[in-house]
Amino acid sequence: QQQVKQSPQSLIVQKGGISIINCAYENTAFDYFPWYQQFPGKGPALLIAIRPDVSEKKEGRFTISFNKSAKQFSLHIMDSQPGDSATYFCAARSTGGGNKLTFGTGTQLKVEL
Amino acid sequence: EPEVTQTPSHQVTQMGQEVILRCVPISNHLYFYWYRQILGQKVEFLVSFYNNEISEKSEIFDDQFSVERPDGSNFTLKIRSTKLEDSAMYFCASTVGNSPLHFGNGTRLTVT
Repeated sequence: QQQVKQSPQSLIVQKGGISIINCAYENTAFDYFPWYQQFPGKGPALLIAIRPDVSEKKEGRFTISFNKSAKQFSLHIMDSQPGDSATYFCAARSTGGGNKLTFGTGTQLKVEL
Repeated sequence: EPEVTQTPSHQVTQMGQEVILRCVPISNHLYFYWYRQILGQKVEFLVSFYNNEISEKSEIFDDQFSVERPDGSNFTLKIRSTKLEDSAMYFCASTVGNSPLHFGNGTRLTVT
């Protein structure tokens, strides 16, 4: 019940295309859903986050879509660039859980020229 | 921008040895965390620390692990007797409160 399932495991997108990464959860106590971007040799860095009281959040080229009833959320990267090539992790935090994050398994994104 | 600093970047140790991984959290942060990432796998929560005591720990964080804030700036993770399966990237993170985590760049621990 604590798991966050993430797909796909890897993704190749052409420059300028849309990258879509999906996550699903079961624990209804999760109340905060961040996405992290990780480059090789670096720690995860917060990209964008959403709370379940909104269905969408957009920051620049990055958008989170959230479907509370389906317990699913996704990251959309518009106009994908080679510099976006990284591993992306979705995560979830439960109410009163401090900052104990449950991470998805990660998606390796490669944006090709 | 302030950063979480971790040292060393890579630590190689023999099975059964003790290792101490060091972290300097962002200076005004109050909550400290250790996470680990086994190669190619997801990031996993180990322990959270606040007000000089453990707030929460995962089942991974057994008696072989301990954390300490020995002074006002450092936050350490000690593994008393390393096992092969402890080989992983260990990430320290900190936050002011219920705000986004700031992660360090990690320490790659290799147990041989």
